[in-house]
Amino acid sequence: NAGVTQTPKFRILKIGQSMTLQCTQDMNHNYMYWYRQDPGMGLKLIYYSVGAGITDKGEVPNGYNVSRSTTEDFPLRLELAAPSQTSVYFCAIRGEADTQYFGPGTRLTVL
Amino acid sequence: DAKTTQPTSMDCAEGRAANLPCNHSTISGNEYVYWYRQIHSQGPQYIIHGLKNNETNEMASLIITEDRKSSTLILPHATLRDTAVYYCIVLKQRTNQFYFGTGTSLTVIP
Repeated sequence: NAGVTQTPKFRILKIGQSMTLQCTQDMNHNYMYWYRQDPGMGLKLIYYSVGAGITDKGEVPNGYNVSRSTTEDFPLRLELAAPSQTSVYFCAIRGEADTQYFGPGTRLTVL
Repeated sequence: DAKTTQPTSMDCAEGRAANLPCNHSTISGNEYVYWYRQIHSQGPQYIIHGLKNNETNEMASLIITEDRKSSTLILPHATLRDTAVYYCIVLKQRTNQFYFGTGTSLTVIP
């Protein structure tokens, strides 16, 4: 997980609340990704970015927003939290040979 | 979209080779196959990747069939620390998206 940090590690939200999941990298890579992983399931792509100012939707973008104003940061925003967004969220960067390096994850519970 | 399919779970005796299969029948000519593993709830960890030739590194070997429709990840001497979920992923370069398969839960048995 070196080079990719995520905050917070854990969070409990009430339905309808909003929050921002932070992701920061110090490896100066252009590509960044947000995934969610539901219990017992694989990772699903929410949004990705190919560089500052450029973002695009993945498989499951509904209910989320992203921005990429700098190379280092790629925050994920939940505007109106719903129980279906209870999940573990992983941020990743794409490095040499297109390998991905993942952050430690944020465990989110919406009650 | 280039999806992958993997067995849900496998067991392997400690010290033996673990062979994990993956089907990717819709893979395109320029798409690579990547393998990652996830231990407990940590972020996935890169293992190996390849295009059409067999590949080997310090962690594993990757065998890709000649028609590229399937591949096998080989852990030559499995240890208890190799117990994890293993994901086979195809890099679809046109959309820059990684499609994670269902993953195989490998249990290494003492």
